Amino acid sequence: GDSVTQMEGPVTLSEEAFLTINCTYTATGYPSLFWYVQYPGEGLQLLLKATKADDKGSNKGFEATYRKETTSFHLEKGSVQVSDSAVYFCALKAAGNKLTFGGGTRVLVKP
Amino acid sequence: DGGITQSPKYLFRKEGQNVTLSCEQNLNHDAMYWYRQDPGQGLRLIYYSQIVNDFQKGDIAEGYSVSREKKESFPLTVTSAQKNPTAFYLCASSIRGGDNQPQHFGDGTRLSIL
Repeated sequence: GDSVTQMEGPVTLSEEAFLTINCTYTATGYPSLFWYVQYPGEGLQLLLKATKADDKGSNKGFEATYRKETTSFHLEKGSVQVSDSAVYFCALKAAGNKLTFGGGTRVLVKP
Repeated sequence: DGGITQSPKYLFRKEGQNVTLSCEQNLNHDAMYWYRQDPGQGLRLIYYSQIVNDFQKGDIAEGYSVSREKKESFPLTVTSAQKNPTAFYLCASSIRGGDNQPQHFGDGTRLSIL
C-alpha cells in the first residue's frame, strides 16, 4: 500500500538557519504530494503541493520539489524564523481521494 | 469566510458514554473526512464520505460511527466500544475527485476520558 516516511524529529535550529525535512514515499501510479503544517493546538494547514514529477511547490519561503526518480519530496527553507516552529507533515494522495500521511516532524526554532 | 468548524474544542467523556463530535463546512465540498491524531504521531483515517448519504470505513473505524445526511455536516460518534478514545480528532473536506485537490482541515476537537 501507499506510505510516507519522514525524518524523525525534533529538529532544533537557530533563527536564520537552513531547514531541510526529508520525505520519501511509496505509491502506485502518480500521486500528488503535499506538505501540511500544524501549529500547537490547531488543525493542519496546507503549506504547499506538487502534482507531477519535477513540479516545485512553494509558499511562505518554503519549497519542495517532486522527485519521481528518488520518490522524494523534501521540504526546505533558507532562513527559518521562530514563528516556523510547528509540526510538519508530508502526505500523498493517490487514486481514491484518500491522503496518506507521514508521522510528522516537529521543528523548534530558537531565537 | 469559508471554512470548516469543529465543535467543541475540548470534550470530556465518562466511561461507557457515547459522544458526538461536530464538523460543519461551508466550502461546498462533496468529500469529508475524520482523522485521529495521537501524541507525537501522524494522522489515521477513521471514516470518509465522498457524497451525501454515503460513507466508507477508513483504517481505524472500529468503535466509531458517522452519518452524512447533509452536504455540509459530517458528525462523528465515538461509541463506548472504542476502548482508547483519548485523542485529537480532525475533520477535513475536499472537492470530490481529482488527485491533486488538497484537503482542508478544521481546528480539531480534543477528547479526554474522565
